[in-house]
Amino acid sequence: DADVTQTPRNRITKTGKRIMLECSQTKGHDRMYWYRQDPGLGLRLIYYSFDVKDINKGEISDGYSVSRQAQAKFSLSLESAIPNQTALYFCATSDPASGGYQETQYFGPGTRLLVL
Amino acid sequence: SQKIEQNSEALNIQEGKTATLTCNYTNYSPAYLQWYRQDPGRGPVFLLLIRENEKEKRKERLKVTFDTTLKQSLFHITASQPADSATYLCALEAGGYQKVTFGTGTKLQVIP
Repeated sequence: DADVTQTPRNRITKTGKRIMLECSQTKGHDRMYWYRQDPGLGLRLIYYSFDVKDINKGEISDGYSVSRQAQAKFSLSLESAIPNQTALYFCATSDPASGGYQETQYFGPGTRLLVL
Repeated sequence: SQKIEQNSEALNIQEGKTATLTCNYTNYSPAYLQWYRQDPGRGPVFLLLIRENEKEKRKERLKVTFDTTLKQSLFHITASQPADSATYLCALEAGGYQKVTFGTGTKLQVIP
């Protein structure tokens, strides 16, 4: 979905390096998410943010940090990359329908990260 | 523990037949369930949402059922086409704070 963009699309880095993955959206959604996807494990939530001042840990936040610079921007950082962080990373946004509870998520194209 | 199970084995089906994919869950009481499609190297794309008080939802050739007693959702694609080949993910509302948890997905291959 071109409304949610991720940079870079591919990245190779070395163990111990700090890297940042960036996500931008033009959908005007308040809620943003970072997931990682591994074969056989599916999508797992790393961090999520329901608005600019709200940051929450997901199920696998260790080793990651995030920054919500604006409504449209949500960055994921790996402070010291390790090989088991090699994965496909997705950013997503959502906007609850009126009345709450409907969380259709709009995903970016993904960033393929390889940590050597 | 909470678990979402989708058949990890690929489903191969002949073009024109109905494909049926299963999503089972344990220790969840989701207010809704969603199905997404994911093509290789791309992000998931939302297809359908069904609420806990709905038995069935349809959209064109797609049909989703939701049985909260069996803790199961079935996803059907009728008159399947090779273009339907993709991985299909189910996702449950989890925890009451309006975020979803995804299953691992089932890969569907429609054979011409």
